[in-house]
Amino acid sequence: SAVISQKPSRDICQRGTSLTIQCQVDSQVTMMFWYRQQPGQSLTLIATANQGSEATYESGFVIDKFPISRPNLTFSTLTVSNMSPEDSSIYLCSVHRTGGIDEQYFGPGTRLTVT
Amino acid sequence: QKEVEQNSGPLSVPEGAIASLNCTYSDRGSQSFFWYRQYSGKSPELIMFIYSNGDKEDGRFTAQLNKASQYVSLLIRDSQPSDSATYLCAVKGSSGNNNDMRFGAGTRLTVKP
Repeated sequence: SAVISQKPSRDICQRGTSLTIQCQVDSQVTMMFWYRQQPGQSLTLIATANQGSEATYESGFVIDKFPISRPNLTFSTLTVSNMSPEDSSIYLCSVHRTGGIDEQYFGPGTRLTVT
Repeated sequence: QKEVEQNSGPLSVPEGAIASLNCTYSDRGSQSFFWYRQYSGKSPELIMFIYSNGDKEDGRFTAQLNKASQYVSLLIRDSQPSDSATYLCAVKGSSGNNNDMRFGAGTRLTVKP
C-alpha cells in the first residue's frame, strides 16, 4: 500500500479566497489524482496530476479554478481558487502504482467549508 | 443511466448475518472492479478487487463478478458492528486507464449488535 498525507485536514474559508491543498506520498508513484466528494455523494475525479507537465482535467473542471502542481513523483498540490459555498466538499488525493497489483489508494482528505 | 449504480441503502443486518452489496455498471468493456469501504469522516479504503468472472474470497469478504450481466457484488459473512460503513463500488472503464475509474454513490451498511 501507499502512505498518503494531506494538508490541511480541514479548513473554513471565506468566499472569494483560495486554498492550496498538499498531498505527500511516502514513495514514488507514477499517477496521482485529485477527487472531490460532496456530502452524500460519490467520488468525482477532478484531474490527473502529471509530473513535469500540465494536469489533465475532467469535463467540468478547469485549470483556472483548480490549478494543480506536481513537481516530483511524491508530491502534488491542488488549489481551489476564488471559492464559493458550492466548493464546500472533501478533496481527496489518490495515487496508483504501475506494475503489480492494480490498486488505487486515497489520502485522508481535506474537508473544506466555504462561508 | 449512471455509469456505476448501487443501492444507496441504508442496508441493515444483524450481527453475524451475511450482508450482500450489489453494483451494476454500464461499460461492457470494463475489466477491473473494486470495492472500497469508507467510514464516516474517513477516506475510502480498498478492501477487494476482482478481474475475472466468478468469486474471489478474502477472509470474511467475497467479491462476485458476472461480466455478462454487468454485475458485481460484495458479500460480508459474519457481519460485525465494525463493518458498519459506506461501501463504494468502483469500475475501471474499458480504456484501462486509472483516470477512467468510475465510482458508485455507495451503499450504507449498518450492522446491529
